[in-house]
Amino acid sequence: GNSVTQMEGPVTLSEEAFLTINCTYTATGYPSLFWYVQYPGEGLQLLLKATKADDKGSNKGFEATYRKETTSFHLEKGSVQVSDSAVYFCALTRGTGNQFYFGTGTSLTVIP
Amino acid sequence: EAGVTQFPSHSVIEKGQTVTLRCDPISGHDNLYWYRRVMGKEIKFLLHFVKESKQDESGMPNNRFLAERTGGTYSTLKVQPAELEDSGVYFCASSQRVGRETQYFGPGTRLLVL
Repeated sequence: GNSVTQMEGPVTLSEEAFLTINCTYTATGYPSLFWYVQYPGEGLQLLLKATKADDKGSNKGFEATYRKETTSFHLEKGSVQVSDSAVYFCALTRGTGNQFYFGTGTSLTVIP
Repeated sequence: EAGVTQFPSHSVIEKGQTVTLRCDPISGHDNLYWYRRVMGKEIKFLLHFVKESKQDESGMPNNRFLAERTGGTYSTLKVQPAELEDSGVYFCASSQRVGRETQYFGPGTRLLVL
């Protein structure tokens, strides 16, 4: 079947620290991979995506590379800010079906 | 361009009551999806509309849930009668096309069944 596994949270970092949130997936076929972010009190927003192996998605200083050999799509940021505090969701879609499969979400808190 | 909107933002009801959630997709998006996140777990797919037709309702948990999209614009999700385990956040999303298309999510409706 199709599933996404994310690292457990919550994660607390100091401002300017390096961030990695691990995400691995199981899927049939060739999925597209996404990171969504939910800021406090808001809905899910697309952060970045990658549609094929070795693609790198990037946005707002965040990056993730589609690694088919390790079935991973880890989210990284070199220097986090307080404003990055949010819940981050890794997701996939197979393309042939229309539903997204999400991980459980990782809560990030960045302290000054 | 307005995003996906959902109403209400919060709802607290008692077990056995009925609740109706509404979603307005982005204008021009034929595809509308409902998802649910229960108790901090993963966000799970409920169903998918293409215009007014149900394309996939494989994620609907049981027949207490009824989704409609009359006229192919906004959608409603009714829970009748509500049970305790229905508590969670209900998200709506829309997309212009299907396949690997990005889905745009609304802010969600937080439902608490007491």
